Amino acid sequence: AQSVTQPDIHITVSEGASLELRCNYSYGATPYLFWYVQSPGQGLQLLLKYFSGDTLVQGIKGFEAEFKRSQSSFNLRKPSVHWSDAAEYFCAVGTLGVTFGTGTKLQVIP
Amino acid sequence: ETGVTQTPRHLVMGMTNKKSLKCEQHLGHNAMYWYKQSAKKPLELMFVYSLEERVENNSVPSRFSPECPNSSHLFLHLHTLQPEDSALYLCASSQDHAGGYSGEQFFGPGTRLTVL
Repeated sequence: AQSVTQPDIHITVSEGASLELRCNYSYGATPYLFWYVQSPGQGLQLLLKYFSGDTLVQGIKGFEAEFKRSQSSFNLRKPSVHWSDAAEYFCAVGTLGVTFGTGTKLQVIP
Repeated sequence: ETGVTQTPRHLVMGMTNKKSLKCEQHLGHNAMYWYKQSAKKPLELMFVYSLEERVENNSVPSRFSPECPNSSHLFLHLHTLQPEDSALYLCASSQDHAGGYSGEQFFGPGTRLTVL
């Protein structure tokens, strides 16, 4: 069965600092991979996706993620965090139905 | 309207009430989903409809009853709910690819349900 692990429940970073959110998945082949962001009281918004091809994918709001097959990882990165990035971030694996990780809540401090 | 819309945005109901949640997608997608989001729990997939037919039901209690009259509309009928059913209910749609792989999902803003 497919599964997604986001090992960090909460992360706090200073505004302007770099960010990396971890995601590991379990699946026998290469799945479709997604990162979503959820602001309080809102639905989820897609940040970026990986289906195939270049393993470094660019998304909206300055985010990028790198697919590493050998590590079964799809970590999300941003070089400089803005206060408006404070939200919850979900990694998801999509094969025959999408499975979401438990989420990482990002706090940004001035 | 664009994207995925959900009504109502907030709902408070007693355990004996019957209510329905509505979702509408304006994206021309062929699949729609209901998710439940509770505090400190991962998103739980409740129902999947592809081409208006239910393809997955993850052992959801019968007090939740979905209905998909066409590819643009999805309902979740609620009856005799329990307080632990209080949660954010999210609707999503996607354009599924051949081979069963799910395309990216577009989410509505959710309905915040409180069961008293």
